[in-house]
Amino acid sequence: GAGVSQSPRYKVAKRGQDVALRCDPISGHVSLFWYQQALGQGPEFLTYFQNEAQLDKSGLPSDRFFAERPEGSVSTLKIQRTQQEDSAVYLCASSSYGTGGIYEQFFGPGTRLTVL
Amino acid sequence: AQRVTQPEKLLSVFKGAPVELKCNYSYSGSPELFWYVQYSRQRLQLLLRHISRESIKGFTADLNKGETSFHLKKPFAQEEDSAMYYCALQGGSEKLVFGKGTKLTVNP
Repeated sequence: GAGVSQSPRYKVAKRGQDVALRCDPISGHVSLFWYQQALGQGPEFLTYFQNEAQLDKSGLPSDRFFAERPEGSVSTLKIQRTQQEDSAVYLCASSSYGTGGIYEQFFGPGTRLTVL
Repeated sequence: AQRVTQPEKLLSVFKGAPVELKCNYSYSGSPELFWYVQYSRQRLQLLLRHISRESIKGFTADLNKGETSFHLKKPFAQEEDSAMYYCALQGGSEKLVFGKGTKLTVNP
């Protein structure tokens, strides 16, 4: 079946522009995660949804970062007034269960954001 | 604080040689530990998790709570094992905490 998809795959933004990154999770998956992966680093947690509820946003680096999942399916990560340090690959992952279980997170291909 | 350390950024071995990718973690509770792999031009995917105690593609990993380690091992490396390997910890919440990764190259 279809895996996690993300769009766009590549995004180039000028410093100060706003961007929106989309994630389509695997159908029926309750949990959705966003991670940021800088060059040469491992993925770092940004935020987590269980259905439409944002249960953890402790990893969002600043108030310029905002994520939503209004209907408990598709999610959008928005970055306002982009800065060069925002350049990274943004990964989305989904899993089939929310609380307490150890369920595999399935990752999307990522969106590579370059801020000039 | 939760932390995962992969001390080797790069690891190069010859085909047929044993390989060990090191992972150490810091977490005060009982963690769940995973190895994820990313082959060239592919997405990140789960290789194995300690709770299932299974061997995938010939790889095994044993959780050593005394040494807080979860090293990944394979007795005979193959060229198709060349990839980025990430150790990850899940502790007390759903999020994964990743190490910085080790790039494994298996030479012919």
